[in-house]
Amino acid sequence: SQTIHQWPATLVQPVGSPLSLECTVEGTSNPNLYWYRQAAGRGLQLLFYSIGIDQISSEVPQNLSASRPQDRQFILSSKKLLLSDSGFYLCAWSPQGREKLFFGSGTQLSVL
Amino acid sequence: GESVGLHLPTLSVQEGDNSIINCAYSNSASDYFIWYKQESGKGPQFIIDIRSNMDKRQGQRVTVLLNKTVKHLSLQIAATQPGDSAVYFCAESEGMLTFGGGTRLMVKP
Repeated sequence: SQTIHQWPATLVQPVGSPLSLECTVEGTSNPNLYWYRQAAGRGLQLLFYSIGIDQISSEVPQNLSASRPQDRQFILSSKKLLLSDSGFYLCAWSPQGREKLFFGSGTQLSVL
Repeated sequence: GESVGLHLPTLSVQEGDNSIINCAYSNSASDYFIWYKQESGKGPQFIIDIRSNMDKRQGQRVTVLLNKTVKHLSLQIAATQPGDSAVYFCAESEGMLTFGGGTRLMVKP
């Protein structure tokens, strides 16, 4: 069966520090991969999605970037965090050609 | 872009009662709809989905109804339990999911 792993679960970082969140998917190949951000008590904002290695689409201009160095690995990064980057970050995957998303457990990022 | 919204941000129900969570969508070209449940501090979990060629689909204790005429989607939960307390998101798709703002369901014992 397919599983998605996302880490760390919580992260507290100072303003101006770098960020790297990692997500991996097991049990499938060539998945679509996604990064979402969720502000407290709010909905899901799509940040990036990828249909293949090194194929990244950005949905909103921001202080973050994404990379997909391997088929089942998706990384969310920042060179210098802002206070506004705080939030709950979710990685998700879907089979190619299908819309149903499967979410990871999320990372709660607090930028202080 | 097109948007998906919810009528009620918070819904409080008595344990054992049925719950109905509503969702309005505006993209008439959407052909796939899905409901997720999100518990506090966790990622959303798939509940049930429906294609636009159907108007009703049932799962275990859950039913999704789709009214394309008025662009309305609802999630019905039968015999609501305390474990059903969570935020529920609807999403619609014309190729990629667009999420609504979420409804918090609170179940009173």
